[in-house]
Amino acid sequence: SYVLTQPPSVSVAPGQTARITCGGNNIGSKSVHWYQQKPGQAPVVVVYDDNDRPSGIPERFSGSNSGNTATLTISRIEAGDEADYSCQVWDRNSEHVVFGGGTKLTVL
Amino acid sequence: QVQLVESGGGVVQPGRSLELSCAASGFTFFSYGMHWVRQAPGKGLEWVAFIWYDGSTKYYADSVKGRFTISRDNSKNTLFLQMHTLRPEDTALYYCATDGVMAAHPPNWFDPWGQGTLVTVSS
Repeated sequence: SYVLTQPPSVSVAPGQTARITCGGNNIGSKSVHWYQQKPGQAPVVVVYDDNDRPSGIPERFSGSNSGNTATLTISRIEAGDEADYSCQVWDRNSEHVVFGGGTKLTVL
Repeated sequence: QVQLVESGGGVVQPGRSLELSCAASGFTFFSYGMHWVRQAPGKGLEWVAFIWYDGSTKYYADSVKGRFTISRDNSKNTLFLQMHTLRPEDTALYYCATDGVMAAHPPNWFDPWGQGTLVTVSS
């Protein structure tokens, strides 16, 4: 089955840029979606189809996807960005939705 | 506004059954595929099942295939998850979520999500 690999944690200072990676075999051929989940809350999509943002999501959130790695980039980090972030794809071979293990973003 | 409200969770013994419901409002429920996703305590997200907008296509995670059944009643704007032969490892917060694209196949992103209903499998 298809596997998505994320770093368990990323730490960044306020005002800096956070980059969260999502690794998968030839993930560049798939559409990648990213979710933000704060404690006690349901996930919210912050980037879909590799690099599109839903309405209401700040431009500070962006995505890229190429080769074996997709990346969620959050610029000008704020304290309110502290959350768990998960990537997700559809694997047509297995006909399964696949989530990455999630990355805890800590704002120092 | 768009709203998804899950219900039916609770404490159940291993081997028993439970049915979850998800009441949808604020959008054309019958036009969208729907998902169940679960999250064990302190763990990441795990996709459980997907049903197409008209119920004609269903997909399941390997961990639940043969034990869980996803269904929907478009006349009542409600999504269901029948869970049989429950195991302790099925303990999780179960979310329903809307597929991000109307009548789309394959599934896309999930937006929005409900707040979840907690299922605890324990003797």
